[in-house]
Amino acid sequence: AQTVTQSQPEMSVQEAETVTLSCTYDTSESDYYLFWYKQPPSRQMILVIRQEAYKQQNATENRFSVNFQKAAKSFSLKISDSQLGDAAMYFCAYRSFGAGSYQLTFGKGTKLSVIP
Amino acid sequence: DARVTQTPRHKVTEMGQEVTMRCQPILGHNTVFWYRQTMMQGLELLAYFRNRAPLDDSGMPKDRFSAEMPDATLATLKIQPSEPRDSAVYFCASGGGYSNQPQHFGDGTRLSIL
Repeated sequence: AQTVTQSQPEMSVQEAETVTLSCTYDTSESDYYLFWYKQPPSRQMILVIRQEAYKQQNATENRFSVNFQKAAKSFSLKISDSQLGDAAMYFCAYRSFGAGSYQLTFGKGTKLSVIP
Repeated sequence: DARVTQTPRHKVTEMGQEVTMRCQPILGHNTVFWYRQTMMQGLELLAYFRNRAPLDDSGMPKDRFSAEMPDATLATLKIQPSEPRDSAVYFCASGGGYSNQPQHFGDGTRLSIL
């Protein structure tokens, strides 16, 4: 079974600065998908970014980018130019590749605070 | 934007009562998931369906929980009888039929069992 670990229960960042959230995972599979989800106080789960393990290029979505290190099984999220609206819980998630592999395995989350 | 719709948003009830949570997946999505979120355990998969057929419900306490999809536009999660330890936020998510397609989550049902 796969496991996902987020070692930072809480982080804080100054508005307009950059912050990196860590995620490591354990798997014996060679193909899989990784995701970061954001959960603001409204409780909604919002997909932030997605990475396919077979792609070497790190995914980027506007101010959000990942550092995917497949050999190290590491998948960190970098938020640039942090904004007050970025304050939320962030969850790293893993999904296997292939037919029948639909469910997500989540880490415990990192609570990000943004300081004005 | 298409959204997953969950009802009710909040539910408070007494121990022993039946609880039913409903989910309307995004039109065209053929996989539906139920997750439970607690402070202690985080987000856990309870059950999921593909094309309305249950594929995995191993995360669900079978003696009191049941999940069904009576049709493609409705998924239900029932707890009978409910217990205080069932208090949590229950999320429904839906997705397309391929593992590279992301899951879209509803806003969750916050359940409190007194």
